[in-house]
Amino acid sequence: AQKITQTQPGMFVQEKEAVTLDCTYDTSDPSYGLFWYKQPSSGEMIFLIYQGSYDQQNATEGRYSLNFQKARKSANLVISASQLGDSAMYFCAMREDILGGSQGNLIFGKGTKLSVKP
Amino acid sequence: DAEITQSPRHKITETGRQVTLACHQTWNHNNMFWYRQDLGHGLRLIHYSYGVQDTNKGEVSDGYSVSRSNTEDLPLTLESAASSQTSVYFCASSAFSGRARNEQFFGPGTRLTVL
Repeated sequence: AQKITQTQPGMFVQEKEAVTLDCTYDTSDPSYGLFWYKQPSSGEMIFLIYQGSYDQQNATEGRYSLNFQKARKSANLVISASQLGDSAMYFCAMREDILGGSQGNLIFGKGTKLSVKP
Repeated sequence: DAEITQSPRHKITETGRQVTLACHQTWNHNNMFWYRQDLGHGLRLIHYSYGVQDTNKGEVSDGYSVSRSNTEDLPLTLESAASSQTSVYFCASSAFSGRARNEQFFGPGTRLTVL
């Protein structure tokens, strides 16, 4: 079974609207971290946001927020007020802190391609 | 500013040749990783290292090797390149994780074509 599932291969959003990118994960590790990365067409991987499994509040970083629903094992990325520059691939990733070793490696989903329409 | 670099950025080689991709980071991170990215697969872990002289196999390690002789560098070697190894390769580094954020910082990638 996949540990990270991103069910939306591609999505469109109108400029200035909000968009939610889905991510579900599967782990039995009580301690884990969830990450979102952005990959624009230029190819670099850009870290966006992090959520620890013990964090009580949803993470936010500027226009990015993470809708963390632990019981449902989901960690959806919400981008508010979309901009043309948000058009990119978005990857969800998980680090299992105990099962993956204390320095746990990242397990990536297959990504969602977001296109922002003017 | 600290950074992570990869060289070459583009490489074309022939089947059967040995190829080495370089990765150099100035973050002074203990952890370094190599991934390959293929359409429909996201990023898959090839090898990783948690410090000097430490190397470990990842999900797709067959046909690849790494060595870590210092903190800054983790070269990736394809022993005998195969067409199935045509891909984009990313190097990444991070500080010790524990339960802290310590995100991975990625290099710009190397596009490798094996003919």
